[in-house]
Formats: sequence, structure tokens, C-alpha cells
Amino acid sequence: DAGVTQSPTHLIKTRGQQVTLRCSPKSGHDTVSWYQQALGQGPQFIFQYYEEEERQRGNFPDRFSGHQFPNYSSELNVNALLLGDSALYLCASSSPGLAGNEQFFGPGTRLTVL
Amino acid sequence: GIQVEQSPPDLILQEGANSTLRCNFSDSVNNLQWFHQNPWGQLINLFYIPSGTKQNGRLSATTVATERYSLLYISSSQTTDSGVYFCAGQNSGGSNYKLTFGKGTLLTVNP
Repeated sequence: DAGVTQSPTHLIKTRGQQVTLRCSPKSGHDTVSWYQQALGQGPQFIFQYYEEEERQRGNFPDRFSGHQFPNYSSELNVNALLLGDSALYLCASSSPGLAGNEQFFGPGTRLTVL
Repeated sequence: GIQVEQSPPDLILQEGANSTLRCNFSDSVNNLQWFHQNPWGQLINLFYIPSGTKQNGRLSATTVATERYSLLYISSSQTTDSGVYFCAGQNSGGSNYKLTFGKGTLLTVNP
């Protein structure tokens, strides 16, 4: 049973560029959440996708956007990258879409913005 | 949203010692999870425990939902237990689906 997978593992970009991160949920899960973890901090919620719609968003600017596909996989897009966007980006999946279900995390994508 | 506070922020132990990590949360939760973050950043699920007590080997956890706290017990610690432990809660009020994390406890177990 495959767990949550993310790609790429590492990414280096320059300020102003755009980046796309990808996530495949755990088998049987239909809900995907994205979190940003800055160095030395706990993960911060970006948004959650369910039934291909964003159903909750954290305190992040519109430069952060996402998408969920019919197979439940998801993408996180960040436009106009800033130095402060350098962080570990974590994807979590849960099922069956109800609030309160256990979330399982992928290995993360480490983004460095130069 | 809820606030999650973890204590202590840092803990240093000798191998074989026991420890207790605490998590306080500011409102009722329908999800409370404990994680261990490994050196590569992966969050490993330890417990899903919105209430009650669970045990898994040398680790156990207790959540007292009415008093809004959770405890993680590590017995006979090993060097491989080192790392950051996070508590995260999900507020049961309204249409809330996000996990709110504490700042973590950095555990160092020395041989």
C-alpha cells in the first residue's frame, strides 16, 4: 500500500519564478491538504482540496494556488517566488473527506528560492 | 482557529530514561495527532488520539479532551527517538479541516 508521494524532492528557483509541486494521496484517500514548514517552525496550513475544489484556505496570499485532479492527486503552484517562500512543503491526505479524520503526510518537497 | 502549545521546547535525555511531552490546545478538537519528524523532514504518524489512551510499544499517549491537553510518554528512550515531536489539533467547530501544529519539542537522546 503506497503512502503519500510528492515530487520533486528538492527544487531550487530564483526570485520571481513560478513553481509547481505535485502530490499523490495514500491509496483510498480523496482529500489532499498542503502545508508549509519554515525552518524551526511547525507546519502551517495552506489549503485543502476535496472533490476537486478548494474547501478551506489558510492565511496565504493568492500567489499560492492549487488544483486537484479526478484521480485525487494534487498540485501546488506558487507564482512570483519570494525569498521567504523557501521552506519544506508537505502534502497530507485523508479520507473519506469528513472533518476530523487522521491525516498522513508525504516526505515533502524542499524549495530553495535564491 | 485553535492555539496549540507544546512543552518543553527542548529535552535532553540519557538513553534508557523516560519522558513526558505535553500539548495544550485552546478549544475542542475532533482530531489530535502526534508526529515524529525525522531528520529528512518526514512526519511520521505516532498517534491519532482525539480522546482516551493508546499505546504502541514504548510509546503511549493520553488525551483529556475535557481539559484540553494531551500527553505523549516515551519509555526506555533510545538514540533513535531523537528528533522533533509535534502535536497537531483540528478544531471541531464549524467547517474546519486544517491541522494546527504546535512549535514542537526537540528531543535529544544521548548514548
